[in-house]
Amino acid sequence: AQTVTQSQPEMSVQEAETVTLSCTYDTSENNYYLFWYKQPPSRQMILVIRQEAYKQQNATENRFSVNFQKAAKSFSLKISDSQLGDTAMYFCAFMKTFSGTYKYIFGTGTRLKVLA
Amino acid sequence: SAVISQKPSRDICQRGTSLTIQCQVDSQVTMMFWYRQQPGQSLTLIATANQGSEATYESGFVIDKFPISRPNLTFSTLTVSNMSPEDSSIYLCSVGLGYEQYFGPGTRLTVT
Repeated sequence: AQTVTQSQPEMSVQEAETVTLSCTYDTSENNYYLFWYKQPPSRQMILVIRQEAYKQQNATENRFSVNFQKAAKSFSLKISDSQLGDTAMYFCAFMKTFSGTYKYIFGTGTRLKVLA
Repeated sequence: SAVISQKPSRDICQRGTSLTIQCQVDSQVTMMFWYRQQPGQSLTLIATANQGSEATYESGFVIDKFPISRPNLTFSTLTVSNMSPEDSSIYLCSVGLGYEQYFGPGTRLTVT
């Protein structure tokens, strides 16, 4: 069974600094997708970035980038130039496909606080 | 992306009663999902509700307790039946667009 592990329950970073959130996963599949979602306090889940496993190039979205290490089954999120609005719970998710449909498996989350 | 709304946004219910949560999407989607989330914790998938087929429930969730309707491509409901305090949680619907999921704002349920 697939599992997703986020080993950092809480992190903090100074405004304008860079922070990296870690995520590891376990799967025997070769083709899959990985995602990072952000959930600000009392607000909606937002998709931050996604990575297709067949792509070697790491995904980037503005200040957010990933370090995808397929062999190591690692998928970390780097936030550059951290802003106060980045304060949120961050969830790593693994997408499993089967029988024409799919489902996500979420990690336990990392609570990030950006300090002024 | 998609704009997703949920009703109600929150409710306080008495044990033994039922609550139906509505999820409305601004575009037609095939795949919809219902999750449960304890505050500050991760998401647990309750069921997948694809239009045109019966909902598929995850281990630990049964149709009698969480009946789901999916009458069309823009709407779904989740009912939490015969509620107990253990059902107090945030219930989220999401839609699948390609391989990405987009989430509603959630319904915060408290059972007393």
